[in-house]
Amino acid sequence: KQEVTQIPAALSVPEGENLVLNCSFTDSAIYNLQWFRQDPGKGLTSLLLIQSSQREQTSGRLNASLDKSSGRSTLYIAASQPGDSATYLCAVWDSSYKLIFGSGTRLLVRP
Amino acid sequence: NAGVTQTPKFRVLKTGQSMTLLCAQDMNHEYMYWYRQDPGMGLRLIHYSVGEGTTAKGEVPDGYNVSRLKKQNFLLGLESAAPSQTSVYFCASSYRGDSGNTIYFGEGSWLTVV
Repeated sequence: KQEVTQIPAALSVPEGENLVLNCSFTDSAIYNLQWFRQDPGKGLTSLLLIQSSQREQTSGRLNASLDKSSGRSTLYIAASQPGDSATYLCAVWDSSYKLIFGSGTRLLVRP
Repeated sequence: NAGVTQTPKFRVLKTGQSMTLLCAQDMNHEYMYWYRQDPGMGLRLIHYSVGEGTTAKGEVPDGYNVSRLKKQNFLLGLESAAPSQTSVYFCASSYRGDSGNTIYFGEGSWLTVV
């Protein structure tokens, strides 16, 4: 059974800091890995999708890496801003078309 | 293009009552999903469907039933609601393209069971 773990559960940083969010999964036979953002009381916004054959994806100040063999992914946020405050969710796609989520990292960027 | 629409958005149920959540998508996607999200947690998969007329169990299927009689609709039923089913429910639909899976989520349905 695929299990996805995210560390840390919560993070508070001052504005401008670079930060890394961690995600690990137990079964390396994944199809893709995806990072989402969720604002309080809202739905999910897709940030980055990494195919299993890729090592990383970048979008603006966000960079996500994938190491399938070790079952790990990281989301790097450069020059953090208060508007980045949200919960970040990591999820893996398996070969049965299921998307399995981690419990998320709640990020607060202090002005 | 409405995307994924969930009905209702908010509902309060008494223990033992039944209800159905409706998810509708207008993108002709094969795959549809129902998730629940509890405070401080990620989304947990309840049931999913890989095509019209098919359904399968996810991580937390107990106490729920689903049906996919039409490709565009995925219904989630609670036959006898329990306080433990108080949660936010998200529906999603997806397709698998050349660059990977693309998934769209509804805005959520807040359910309280008292």
